[in-house]
Formats: sequence, C-alpha cells, structure tokens
Amino acid sequence: GEDVEQSLFLSVREGDSSVINCTYTDSSSTYLYWYKQEPGAGLQLLTYIFSNMDMKQDQRLTVLLNKKDKHLSLRIADTQTGDSAIYFCAEWGASGNTPLVFGKGTRLSVIA
Amino acid sequence: EAGVVQSPRYKIIEKKQPVAFWCNPISGHNTLYWYRQNLGQGPELLIRYENEEAVDDSQLPKDRFSAERLKGVDSTLKIQPAELGDSAVYLCASSLYSGGGANTEAFFGQGTRLTVV
Repeated sequence: GEDVEQSLFLSVREGDSSVINCTYTDSSSTYLYWYKQEPGAGLQLLTYIFSNMDMKQDQRLTVLLNKKDKHLSLRIADTQTGDSAIYFCAEWGASGNTPLVFGKGTRLSVIA
Repeated sequence: EAGVVQSPRYKIIEKKQPVAFWCNPISGHNTLYWYRQNLGQGPELLIRYENEEAVDDSQLPKDRFSAERLKGVDSTLKIQPAELGDSAVYLCASSLYSGGGANTEAFFGQGTRLTVV
C-alpha cells in the first residue's frame, strides 16, 4: 500500500533555512501536499505540487519534487519562531483512488 | 468564507459510552472526509463521502463506528460503545472534488479531541 516517510524532528535557528524531507511510495501520485499543524489545531494546507513539476515556489516556501527518487522536500526560507509546528507530507495514492495518505509528520523547532 | 466547522472541540467520556462528532464542510464542497489522528501520528482516513455516498469506508471499524452525511452537506461520526483506544483527535476535511487532480485540496477543521477514560 501507499506509504509516506518523514524524519520526525528538525531544529533550526531563527533566520536560517529549514528543509523538511519526505519520501513516498506510490509512483502514480498526481498531487503531493504539505500541511502544517500547530498545537491543538487542525491541519493547514501550505502548498502542493503537481507531479509533472520539479519545483514550486510560494513566498518563503519552496517545494522540490524528485519523481524518480519519490522524494519531496519543503524548504522554508528565513525561518521564524511562528514556523514552529508539525509539518505533514501527503499524497494521493493509487491513481487518485486513495485519498491523502499522510506521513507521521516532522516537528520543526525554531530556536530564537 | 467559513472553513470546516467541527463540534465539539473536546469530549471526555467513560468507556462503553456513546459519542458523536459533527462536521459542517465548506459550502459547495462535494467531498467530505473523516480522519483519526493518534498522538504523534499523521491522520488516517476513516471514511470518505462523495456527496451523500460513502465511497471509501474500508478503514472504519464498523462494529462500533458509524457515519452519515444526509443531504450531502454536514456529517456525523458516531462511536458506540467507545473504548479506551478510541482516544484521539477526529478530524473532518472537505474538498471541492477528489481524486488527486485540480481542486482536490482538502481543508481541515480544528478537530475534536476525544478522551475515553
């Protein structure tokens, strides 16, 4: 079945760049997503990338997709303390028939 | 525009008691999802609705869980009877369409945190 893997923790200093990595298994995934979850809150959609793209930039966020290696990354430039949260990578699996399979999330801690 | 609205935000019940969660999706969204998020884990799908039809409920423990989406708008998820292992955050999400294509981004509510004691 579909599986999404992420590293569990990342710690960066304020002002540095953060890179959160994700690997997925379903090569037929058409859209891949990044969600942010702050404590006690639901998931907030940050950005997504279509599988025929290699990169997508949205203000401080850059998404890189390596479809050959099934690797997705989220880069946050000039990381701020407000970026501290859990970041989830998600894919649609099985040619769009299995909705939003999530990884376990990467907890980003930003040190002032 | 209002987002996905869930209630209650928190619920504490004793085991073997019933509990129900309510979700009102974003207006016009055809697809509605219920996810369960255990502590330290990512969300896992319980059931997906396309309008009023449940099209994917393979992960729903049907012996104790039930869901409905009458009239294809808001939805209710019920657990009866609740067990200790049901303690989790129950998330509702909606999207305009589904299938991993355009306009299928899912928007989540704030969730209901269930504690079974």
